[in-house]
Amino acid sequence: DGGITQSPKYLFRKEGQNVTLSCEQNLNHDAMYWYRQDPGQGLRLIYYSQIVNDFQKGDIAEGYSVSREKKESFPLTVTSAQKNPTAFYLCASSIRTGGLDEQFFGPGTRLTVL
Amino acid sequence: GQNIDQPTEMTATEGAIVQINCTYQTSGFNGLFWYQQHAGEAPTFLSYNVLDGLEEKGRFSSFLSRSKGYSYLLLKELQMKDSASYLCAVREAGTALIFGKGTTLSVSS
Repeated sequence: DGGITQSPKYLFRKEGQNVTLSCEQNLNHDAMYWYRQDPGQGLRLIYYSQIVNDFQKGDIAEGYSVSREKKESFPLTVTSAQKNPTAFYLCASSIRTGGLDEQFFGPGTRLTVL
Repeated sequence: GQNIDQPTEMTATEGAIVQINCTYQTSGFNGLFWYQQHAGEAPTFLSYNVLDGLEEKGRFSSFLSRSKGYSYLLLKELQMKDSASYLCAVREAGTALIFGKGTTLSVSS
C-alpha cells in the first residue's frame, strides 16, 4: 500500500535535547512538507522540499532543521533552540508543489517536551 | 501577506445542512482546498476549487469566488461522524498549502 509513515506516534523528550522526527513516503512524490499544529492555531508550515537536496523555510522555521537526501525521506529535527516544541507534527507530500495536486498527510507525531 | 479566516466553531443537528465560510487574502492564488480532520488524526482531502463556481461531491460541495476571495464548504444530510474540524487552505503559486485555523463542527442528534 502506498502512503506516508511517521514514527513514532508519541515522543517524549527532555528539555534541551534535539529530537528527529521521521517521515517516509512511497508515493513517488517529489514534494514533501512539515507542518506543526497547536490547539486553536491550525496547521503552520515549518519547511518544505520541492525536490531532493532542496528545501525552503516556511513560516515558522526557527529552531527546526530538515534534510532531503532521498526522495522518500524528509526528516525533521527539533533543536533545543525551539522555544515551544510540544506540538502535533504532520508530514505531507504531493506530486509536486503548485498546481492541482492535493497534499497527502501522514498520521502525525505528537511530541511532548518535559 | 497571507490571511485566511474561518469561523472557530459551528454546531448543527443530524440531517441538517451547514455552510462553513472561508475568506482569504494571499499574494498569489493557485487553488483552494478543503480538508477534514478528526481529533488526533491527520487531515484528509475533501475538495479543490481553482475556478469560480460550485464543485459537488456527494454530500459535500465547495464554492469559490476568486474576485471576492471567498469560499464555502456545504455539508448536507449531516451525520454524527461529520463532527470534525474543517480546514480551508490556499495554494500560492509554487508553494505549500497555507491553512486557516480551522472550523470545529459539532453535530448533535
